[in-house]
Amino acid sequence: AQSVTQLDSQVPVFEEAPVELRCNYSSSVSVYLFWYVQYPNQGLQLLLKYLSGSTLVESINGFEAEFNKSQTSFHLRKPSVHISDTAEYFCAVTLVGNTPLVFGKGTRLSVIA
Amino acid sequence: DVKVTQSSRYLVKRTGEKVFLECVQDMDHENMFWYRQDPGLGLRLIYFSYDVKMKEKGDIPEGYSVSREKKERFSLILESASTNQTSMYLCASSLERTDRDQETQYFGPGTRLLVL
Repeated sequence: AQSVTQLDSQVPVFEEAPVELRCNYSSSVSVYLFWYVQYPNQGLQLLLKYLSGSTLVESINGFEAEFNKSQTSFHLRKPSVHISDTAEYFCAVTLVGNTPLVFGKGTRLSVIA
Repeated sequence: DVKVTQSSRYLVKRTGEKVFLECVQDMDHENMFWYRQDPGLGLRLIYFSYDVKMKEKGDIPEGYSVSREKKERFSLILESASTNQTSMYLCASSLERTDRDQETQYFGPGTRLLVL
């Protein structure tokens, strides 16, 4: 069965600094990968996803993630964070052609002014 | 826009009560899911359904049951609530499994349940 590891439970970072949230998965077959974001007191929203094609995927608010098959990773990055990026971020994986999603335990990003 | 609604944002119940959590989606999605979210544990899948009257157990089904009588509605039932079921409950939906985009799950705002 597939699994997801988010190594950092909490990441504090100063405003306008870069950030990387790490995600590693385990699976011996092809997968789809996702990053979801949960703002305070809200449900989860899809941030970006990798299904196939280009290994670098981007979101509309400046985040990007790169699928690295050899390292089984899908790290999330942003070159300059804003206060409004403060949230919890969840990495998720599913096998191609199968559901449901398997989520990591989440990384709480705190952006400090 | 896809909309997933949950009947309550906050609920307080007593041990032993029967609890119903309702979830409704308005985009004709085939798949629906119930998760619980606890600090440090992330999201854990309780039950899911690929079609009306169908249900499958997730990772932590014990103490829960579900009902899907209509396509748009998926109910989570706590037959006899216990304090260890105090949690945030999240409902999600997605398109039919044969569509590649079905992998995108859309979430409701969550129900925070406190069992005393």
